Amino acid sequence: GENVEQHPSTLSVQEGDSAVIKCTYSDSASNYFPWYKQELGKGPQLIIDIRSNVGEKKDQRIAVTLNKTAKHFSLHITETQPEDSAVYFCAASHRNNAGNMLTFGGGTRLMVKP
Amino acid sequence: DAGVTQSPTHLIKTRGQHVTLRCSPISGHKSVSWYQQVLGQGPQFIFQYYEKEERGRGNFPDRFSARQFPNYSSELNVNALLLGDSALYLCASSLIRGGSYEQYFGPGTRLTVT
Repeated sequence: GENVEQHPSTLSVQEGDSAVIKCTYSDSASNYFPWYKQELGKGPQLIIDIRSNVGEKKDQRIAVTLNKTAKHFSLHITETQPEDSAVYFCAASHRNNAGNMLTFGGGTRLMVKP
Repeated sequence: DAGVTQSPTHLIKTRGQHVTLRCSPISGHKSVSWYQQVLGQGPQFIFQYYEKEERGRGNFPDRFSARQFPNYSSELNVNALLLGDSALYLCASSLIRGGSYEQYFGPGTRLTVT
């Protein structure tokens, strides 16, 4: 089955700096890669995703890149703000007619210091 | 529009008891997935249902079961509770059809087994 590794487990940055979180996956059949933000006491919130036919996607301060050959994908947050502090999870899925089960990485705790 | 709703919010049970957790998907979504999130880890896939049929099952014992109702809401049942079942149980809804890949999570049910 799919295995997703996520690094680093914790990341501390100064407000205004950039943050990068990296993930690798094992199943070459995976074709969908979402990123979730989870704040304390809440469920994961989908913040951006990328499909295997695209190499990069951007949404304001957030961008995701995908390297299918190397089987890794990354989340980039620019101009970080204190409200970006949370736990971030990457996930991988092989979506087909049977469904779209997500396999998650272990999470990255991002702390943005004012 | 209302997001994914789950009930109850918190639950305390004793070892050996059973528990039923409930989930209502986003209006129009016909697929519901269940995940278990142990403290400090990423969510782990338990079940996915689409149009009332089981479409996927994760690596969980037979003590875990689920079903989806005609209105697309879902129940997760866990029998013979163990201390290790203490976790946040998350429900996610998705469209599945029409090229839609996204899964949206509810706030979760925090289960404590004593």
